This record gives sequence, structure tokens and C-alpha cells, in this order.
Amino acid sequence: DTGVSQDPRHKITKRGQNVTFRCDPISEHNRLYWYRQTLGQGPEFLTYFQNEAQLEKSRLLSDRFSAERPKGSFSTLEIQRTEQGDSAMYLCASSSALAGDTTGELFFGEGSRLTVL
Amino acid sequence: EDQVTQSPEALRLQEGESSSLNCSYTVSGLRGLFWYRQDPGKGPEFLFTLYSAGEEKEKERLKATLTKKESFLHITAPKPEDSATYLCAVQAGGATNKLIFGTGTLLAVQP
Repeated sequence: DTGVSQDPRHKITKRGQNVTFRCDPISEHNRLYWYRQTLGQGPEFLTYFQNEAQLEKSRLLSDRFSAERPKGSFSTLEIQRTEQGDSAMYLCASSSALAGDTTGELFFGEGSRLTVL
Repeated sequence: EDQVTQSPEALRLQEGESSSLNCSYTVSGLRGLFWYRQDPGKGPEFLFTLYSAGEEKEKERLKATLTKKESFLHITAPKPEDSATYLCAVQAGGATNKLIFGTGTLLAVQP
């Protein structure tokens, strides 16, 4: 199965440390998304890439968060100086929608759960 | 402000007892309304996309409908394996590619 893969699945860190998550999308998908989900809530949009270009970023996203997608393949999401409020599930999704189409069907990974102590 | 409200927050059904989940939305220029299913500890799984009022889509025991203000997910004769959280999301008009999700309905189907 070549679905969306995320690593690590779980990360426990101390407040103030930096963490990085990796996402490997479905290989032929040109679009990649990061969402954050806390318990009892729906996923919240963080950022969107089309190929290697970061085209959209949530206004709620602090400067401590940065995402990259070099060469339009895998993506990384880094959180610097973590805070307890960053504890959440970080979900990556990909799709193959053409430019101008709706977001369409997103294929989500199983997420990376972050716990900040 | 674009937003999505789902009700009820939780629903418990007996196997075979049909019901509906509601998704109310306010959005500037709807480009699409999406239904996803999420099992515990997993990422959401796509179910349906609806684009315009009056549209309906079906998949097995699930049927999604759309009006100008809300969407319904009808579950006919549910089975225990239908137990999950059902999420509704909208994509607004313009250049945005983000989905705005509701908080979901937690469905439990008892045998």
C-alpha cells in the first residue's frame, strides 16, 4: 500500500525543544497539506503546497512553525520552541487535483501525535 | 466568517436504526462540501464531495445531500462497523485551498 506516510507517529518532548515531522505523500500527488487536530475538534488547516511551492499558510500559524517541501516530494513540518499548547495530532494529506479545481479528495496519513510536557 | 457546525455531537443507534447527521455551514461562495469518516487514532477518510444545492451522493448505507445552508448524511440500517466520527468540511470560494472542518459527530452503532 502506498498511502500517505508520516513519521514519527508519536513524539514526546519538553517545552522549549524543537521537533520535526516528516510526510511522504502518495507519489503522483502534486498537492500536500498539513492540518492540526486536537481532541474533540475537527482538523485545522495549517499550510498547503502545490509541488514545491508553499501557496497558502494559515494566519493562525505562529512564526515558530515552518514547513518545507523540497523538490515537490516529501514535506517536513518543524515546530521551534514548543509550547504545551502545541500538543496535538499533526495530519498530512495529499491530493492530485488540477490547478483551479476544488481541493477534492484528500488522502490523509495516520498523523504524528505530539505531546509537549 | 466561514464556519461549519455539526449536530448532534454524539449519536448512539441500535443496529438497523436509520438516522441523519446534520452539517450547517456559512461560507462565502461554496466551492465544495466534503464528508469524511475518522476512526480513532487514524486520519480522516474521504466519503463524498457535493458541489451544489440539490446534489445527492450515495455509498453503501450512506447518502449525502446538500442545500444552500446545510448538508445531511443519512445512514440507513447502520451496522456496528459504521461506528466512527463523521466530519463535514467546506471549501470557500476564491483562491483558498483549505478545508474548514466541523467538530464532527461521534456515531456509535450497537449490535
